[in-house]
Amino acid sequence: GAGVSQTPSNKVTEKGKYVELRCDPISGHTALYWYRQSLGQGPEFLIYFQGTGAADDSGLPNDRFFAVRPEGSVSTLKIQRTERGDSAVYLCASSPPGLAGVNTGELFFGEGSRLTVL
Amino acid sequence: QKEVEQNSGPLSVPEGAIASLNCTYSDRGSQSFFWYRQYSGKSPELIMFIYSNGDKEDGRFTAQLNKASQYVSLLIRDSQPSDSATYLCAVNSPGSQGNLIFGKGTKLSVKP
Repeated sequence: GAGVSQTPSNKVTEKGKYVELRCDPISGHTALYWYRQSLGQGPEFLIYFQGTGAADDSGLPNDRFFAVRPEGSVSTLKIQRTERGDSAVYLCASSPPGLAGVNTGELFFGEGSRLTVL
Repeated sequence: QKEVEQNSGPLSVPEGAIASLNCTYSDRGSQSFFWYRQYSGKSPELIMFIYSNGDKEDGRFTAQLNKASQYVSLLIRDSQPSDSATYLCAVNSPGSQGNLIFGKGTKLSVKP
């Protein structure tokens, strides 16, 4: 596709359940990011992949959150034992490679997955 | 704690006026600065980036950067109702390639 694709667009789950959110980045974009955004707030960084490896996972709030990108393209964000405080829009973004492989910081966002934990 | 601060607004301007959006950041090591526009219920989209001190113009948009004051702004000339959105300032996190720290955003309303 032409843009970043995220599924599902909406997910309602019960407290304590397991959730997976999927992101398909723009073809050729080597960097992939997960952010989450709560109402009235800016996007909050979670994790960044360069290729298959997590280059920076310092934003993951705790060990209930995990993300993978096994083949360097599609990524899955996994949330275990969901809590009501996890409710937010989870945004995925990808970024093209810049000069000398340094990322430009120009992020292209998907439409997000809205997670509601009841 | 690395921070990006923006006035949450709402900022209301009449159609045709200049809208001025401001942002300050805490980390002097930041080198790249971005403005994203986010329409209600939509995802952010990049509208401007600036790396060097001074002004950068792109159509009706001008980004201004003053690293000494740790201040970045966005001017929108000839504001249109279609410019009504939340504007997010983002700053790179030094030491982490490409990771951006976002402000909470300023909500702009352009009245016809």
